[in-house]
Amino acid sequence: DTGVSQNPRHKITKRGQNVTFRCDPISEHNRLYWYRQTLGQGPEFLTYFQNEAQLEKSRLLSDRFSAERPKGSFSTLEIQRTEQGDSAMYLCASSPVASFYEQYFGPGTRLTVT
Amino acid sequence: AQSVTQPDIHITVSEGASLELRCNYSYGATPYLFWYVQSPGQGLQLLLKYFSGDTLVQGIKGFEAEFKRSQSSFNLRKPSVHWSDAAEYFCAVDRDDKIIFGKGTRLHILP
Repeated sequence: DTGVSQNPRHKITKRGQNVTFRCDPISEHNRLYWYRQTLGQGPEFLTYFQNEAQLEKSRLLSDRFSAERPKGSFSTLEIQRTEQGDSAMYLCASSPVASFYEQYFGPGTRLTVT
Repeated sequence: AQSVTQPDIHITVSEGASLELRCNYSYGATPYLFWYVQSPGQGLQLLLKYFSGDTLVQGIKGFEAEFKRSQSSFNLRKPSVHWSDAAEYFCAVDRDDKIIFGKGTRLHILP
């Protein structure tokens, strides 16, 4: 068990470009969560999956954001037409469905939009 | 709406001194409560959790937390801090299968 991994660890992009992040959860975990963390704030919930089904999306997730989890394994988070306000750390976590609170976090992807 | 308040943005203590980080939550019932730690360049790590029962819970790295229903608090404590404890600490609660985090308290350790 290598834990939750996220790629890339850092991404610098120009405003208006599209970016995609990947999260590989712990293999036996059914649930996968995405959070966003800005400077001086705690992580904020964005969306989560149970297997391949996306069960909830936060109001923070504008229509420029889309997340997928094909086949219930890894997940991708895409941001289209990036804005400077999208600059943040994007965190992924996974958990077994029976104990969702036991969320294991990845190291995050730091996005900088210039 | 459920929320978590961490009133101290920064806390500085000397190495070897005791530590208490404050957390208050607002919720109609007793939620599940958590403390997470985030060290530079590392992911969030769960320190401890409270669901029910004994109001004093033990966690990893020598941390403990006490749930006080009357004060809606879940304060984190450690009797003697080490330089390696310097990090950001987040109190959190559950809500509908999601974790809601406070804004965090950054802990600085003086040698």
